[in-house]
Amino acid sequence: SQKIEQNSEALNIQEGKTATLTCNYTNYSPAYLQWYRQDPGRGPVFLLLIRENEKEKRKERLKVTFDTTLKQSLFHITASQPADSATYLCALELEKGNAGNNRKLIWGLGTSLAVNP
Amino acid sequence: DTGVSQDPRHKITKRGQNVTFRCDPISEHNRLYWYRQTLGQGPEFLTYFQNEAQLEKSRLLSDRFSAERPKGSFSTLEIQRTEQGDSAMYLCASSLEGYNEQFFGPGTRLTVL
Repeated sequence: SQKIEQNSEALNIQEGKTATLTCNYTNYSPAYLQWYRQDPGRGPVFLLLIRENEKEKRKERLKVTFDTTLKQSLFHITASQPADSATYLCALELEKGNAGNNRKLIWGLGTSLAVNP
Repeated sequence: DTGVSQDPRHKITKRGQNVTFRCDPISEHNRLYWYRQTLGQGPEFLTYFQNEAQLEKSRLLSDRFSAERPKGSFSTLEIQRTEQGDSAMYLCASSLEGYNEQFFGPGTRLTVL
């Protein structure tokens, strides 16, 4: 069956440490993998995207890796801050960016991150 | 432009009633998506529009659900004869052709009593 799994347990870390979140998937071949942040009662907010032929992507304190052999993506937040506390969702985009393709996202359950001051 | 907006933000209804939600996407975005999210779950795809054409509807969506995007701008999602299992957050997202990033609205939280 097709599955997307993220860390089931909430992650609690100390301010300043690096948070590492995991996204594993089975029986999918995504063209892209995206990471979103979601705060309580709000819609998800896009953070980073990585393509199937990319190994790593960085943006400020964020880093994403993508291993299509292991079918796994890791999401890192370095020098974490209490303001980083939120739920982080990984999402697979199966279709390539051809005109008209439905670029719907298939989502994991999310991992709750708490950064303690 | 202030982003994707949804109305209402909260809706409480009794079982068996019909409800309609509205989504106003970012103005130049031609793609529009509806997702549903329950507590502790990720969003679940419901339906997709490119301009005014509804190009895909999830098999999980029963006939009680219908969505429209009549002029390729705002969209409405209607649920007829609501059931308690319909209680969820209904999220709308829009994107621009050629770009992956989806911009989400704040959602409409539906509670069916």
